[in-house]
Amino acid sequence: AQSVAQPEDQVNVAEGNPLTVKCTYSVSGNPYLFWYVQYPNRGLQFLLKYITGDNLVKGSYGFEAEFNKSQTSFHLKKPSALVSDSALYFCAVRDEAYSGAGSYQLTFGKGTKLSVIP
Amino acid sequence: GAVVSQHPSRVICKSGTSVKIECRSLDFQATTMFWYRQFPKQSLMLMATSNEGSKATYEQGVEKDKFLINHASLTLSTLTVTSAHPEDSSFYICSASSDSPSPYNEQFFGPGTRLTVL
Repeated sequence: AQSVAQPEDQVNVAEGNPLTVKCTYSVSGNPYLFWYVQYPNRGLQFLLKYITGDNLVKGSYGFEAEFNKSQTSFHLKKPSALVSDSALYFCAVRDEAYSGAGSYQLTFGKGTKLSVIP
Repeated sequence: GAVVSQHPSRVICKSGTSVKIECRSLDFQATTMFWYRQFPKQSLMLMATSNEGSKATYEQGVEKDKFLINHASLTLSTLTVTSAHPEDSSFYICSASSDSPSPYNEQFFGPGTRLTVL
């Protein structure tokens, strides 16, 4: 079974400071990892993904994430936080071991609320 | 990127009535669509997975007779909440994926539908 843990319910950071939102995962095969952002009363917006290749993945709005296989982590980072980054962030994983082209399940973490303080 | 729409964005209904929510993939063919439910300040809970032309697969604990899912075409899936009750009030989000052209099947999310049952 696949699982995702986001250990922090909330992260507070001052505007202009670097931010990190943590995510660890558990899968039986190789992971496909995703980060999504959700603004109030809105659906999920895709930020970035790791499938294979370079462990450092760059995504939308200046976000990046580093895949660390030994620590089974995929932390989301941004060098300089903006107030507009304040939102709910979800990490999600798919296990490559799942079969069935065209259908698969994403397992989501419980989300981390990021608040960027002006 | 791929676009998924949902209609309506908000709906208020009386207890005992049925409500239909539509999920459309606007610029790609969605062989698989997923329906999620999100409670306030919580993560997404997968309700069911539907493949075009076949019956939906429901997650454990989700009443298939209450949450009717139809995926009649490659661009449209519907979720009907039958005999709605106040406890069905929630944020419902759909997502869609296709077999091609990606080497993996990424999910694209709709903006969500806020259902309020009075």
